[in-house]
Amino acid sequence: AQSVTQPDIHITVSEGASLELRCNYSYGATPYLFWYVQSPGQGLQLLLKYFSGDTLVQGIKGFEAEFKRSQSSFNLRKPSVHWSDAAEYFCAVGARYGGATNKLIFGTGTLLAVQP
Amino acid sequence: DTEVTQTPKHLVMGMTNKKSLKCEQHMGHRAMYWYKQKAKKPPELMFVYSYEKLSINESVPSRFSPECPNSSLLNLHLHALQPEDSALYLCASSQEIGGTFLYYEQYFGPGTRLTVT
Repeated sequence: AQSVTQPDIHITVSEGASLELRCNYSYGATPYLFWYVQSPGQGLQLLLKYFSGDTLVQGIKGFEAEFKRSQSSFNLRKPSVHWSDAAEYFCAVGARYGGATNKLIFGTGTLLAVQP
Repeated sequence: DTEVTQTPKHLVMGMTNKKSLKCEQHMGHRAMYWYKQKAKKPPELMFVYSYEKLSINESVPSRFSPECPNSSLLNLHLHALQPEDSALYLCASSQEIGGTFLYYEQYFGPGTRLTVT
């Protein structure tokens, strides 16, 4: 069965420090991978996606993620965190649901806190 | 434009009320979704519409009734809800798959915060 694991429930980093959020997936076929960010009480914003090709993908707000098939991972990185990056981050895999329908399978999320 | 709008932003309703949530997108997407999100949890899929037809119902109780009047609009009709139904309700849309494209990203609205008293 398809699944997504985000091992870190809560992470705190200092402003200006680098960030890496971990994501591991379980999916039999070529995965379609996503990172979304959610600020408190808001909807989800797509940060970046991986469908195929270059394993290092660039997203919005200075984020990037690297797809490693051998490790079944899709970790999110940012070289220098800003206070406005404090939010909940969800990793997700897109799965076929049958026929022409798709669904997103989300990880449990990682809550990022940024210290001044 | 990658905007999905939802109204209202907040809704408080009693257990005997009938209310509706509305979602709208003008990106030409033909797949639309309703999700329910409880605090500190990921979104849970409720319904999927594909070309205005209901294609997925994730065993959602009948007190939730979705409707897709046209390709841009998605409604969620609420009736006789329970306090445990209080949550953030998110709408999303995506292009429909076809050809060599097996998946498209979903774009989410800001959500409706529902409180059932």
